[in-house]
Amino acid sequence: GAVVSQHPSWVICKSGTSVKIECRSLDFQATTMFWYRQFPKQSLMLMATSNEGSKATYEQGVEKDKFLINHASLTLSTLTVTSAHPEDSSFYICSARTSGRTGANVLTFGAGSRLTVL
Amino acid sequence: SQKIEQNSEALNIQEGKTATLTCNYTNYSPAYLQWYRQDPGRGPVFLLLIRENEKEKRKERLKVTFDTTLKQSLFHITASQPADSATYLCALRNTDKLIFGTGTRLQVFP
Repeated sequence: GAVVSQHPSWVICKSGTSVKIECRSLDFQATTMFWYRQFPKQSLMLMATSNEGSKATYEQGVEKDKFLINHASLTLSTLTVTSAHPEDSSFYICSARTSGRTGANVLTFGAGSRLTVL
Repeated sequence: SQKIEQNSEALNIQEGKTATLTCNYTNYSPAYLQWYRQDPGRGPVFLLLIRENEKEKRKERLKVTFDTTLKQSLFHITASQPADSATYLCALRNTDKLIFGTGTRLQVFP
């Protein structure tokens, strides 16, 4: 089946530094990927939709200059948290629409990246 | 406003019993409704999809119902096992996005 690989699985950084998270579709091409954020004991909140070869579409309230998304190829999307602060500490999860189920928007998720900003 | 609500309280049941989880939505008219399973510290995993013209869908020990009049979906796990313990999320498509409910944590004890 479809596999989405996300790296790193966890990262600890100092306040003010930037962190990059990679999301790869391993055995299929993903023209669209979705980035979610999840705080403890809360549901997944969509941050942005990443489109290959074009600018990402951000949800209301998500700062595009803080959360930089690049989708340069059909198998790779990256999320960079710039100038991270403790309130950015969260669980970030990427996903890709599984080929063949476009109409239903079934998603395959990565394992997630736990970001802790000190 | 649009909402997708699931029982926020954990559901604790005994092994072998049937677990029933509820998903209610307001101000959506979804053509599909999906259920995912999420284990702690992991990304969600797709389980089942049900279309608006389907009343019921089954997959092994899982059963999903979809009532567009009540705006509700029920998710059943029969003959539950401790390995079924996880958080279960329902999700609806809104334009090109998948929006998730709050999730219900299921705990199956021996």
